[in-house]
Amino acid sequence: DIQMTQSPSSLSASIGDRVTITCRASQSISTYLNWYQQKPGKAPKLLIYVASTLQSGVPSRFSGGGSGTDFTLTISSLQPEDFATYYCQQGFTTPNFFGQGTRLEIK
Amino acid sequence: QVQLQESGPGLVKPSETLSLACSVSGGSISNYYWSWIRQPPGKGLEWIGYIYYTGNTNYNPSLKSRVTISVDTSKNQFSLKLSSVTAADTAMYYCARHIYSRSSGVYFDFWGQGILVTVSS
Repeated sequence: DIQMTQSPSSLSASIGDRVTITCRASQSISTYLNWYQQKPGKAPKLLIYVASTLQSGVPSRFSGGGSGTDFTLTISSLQPEDFATYYCQQGFTTPNFFGQGTRLEIK
Repeated sequence: QVQLQESGPGLVKPSETLSLACSVSGGSISNYYWSWIRQPPGKGLEWIGYIYYTGNTNYNPSLKSRVTISVDTSKNQFSLKLSSVTAADTAMYYCARHIYSRSSGVYFDFWGQGILVTVSS
């Protein structure tokens, strides 16, 4: 099974900050990596798929990169609505494990 | 816009079978894969399994012995059964549309709002 490890587990930042979250796969997954945002009491929302493709309707301040085993999610200028938990998910093979999540909090 | 809605009992007794349904609206269940994903309170996401509209399934090995996912194309819905439940199965259960292609791999683009299932006597 391919395990996904996110870092950091939690992060405090201010409005307007640039933030980067990292996701590492236990083996190469090419670019089959997806990112989700989850707010309290809500279902996860797809942000980015295939490492860097922005889902329709997602603001352009979100971007993704990486390939192989190392991936990043960057928010270029944090907005109040971006404070949430972010999950990566490998789409290379089943079981399609998620990372443990990164909680982004207001400083 | 595709919408998914989970339904079923919110409370299940230990050792019994959890049964949930997911109704799909705004689009056909045909030609897509559909997944169940769960999230214990305060914890991360766990993929349970998927079904293709033809009935082909694939389950998380950690749950495979207890899981059955089925589809009813005439009702545009799919279902989850999880047998012999324990307190560890208490979670929010989500259904989601599961996109798969050789170029994109697997991702989940539409999700239901989730249903909290508590296992308790």
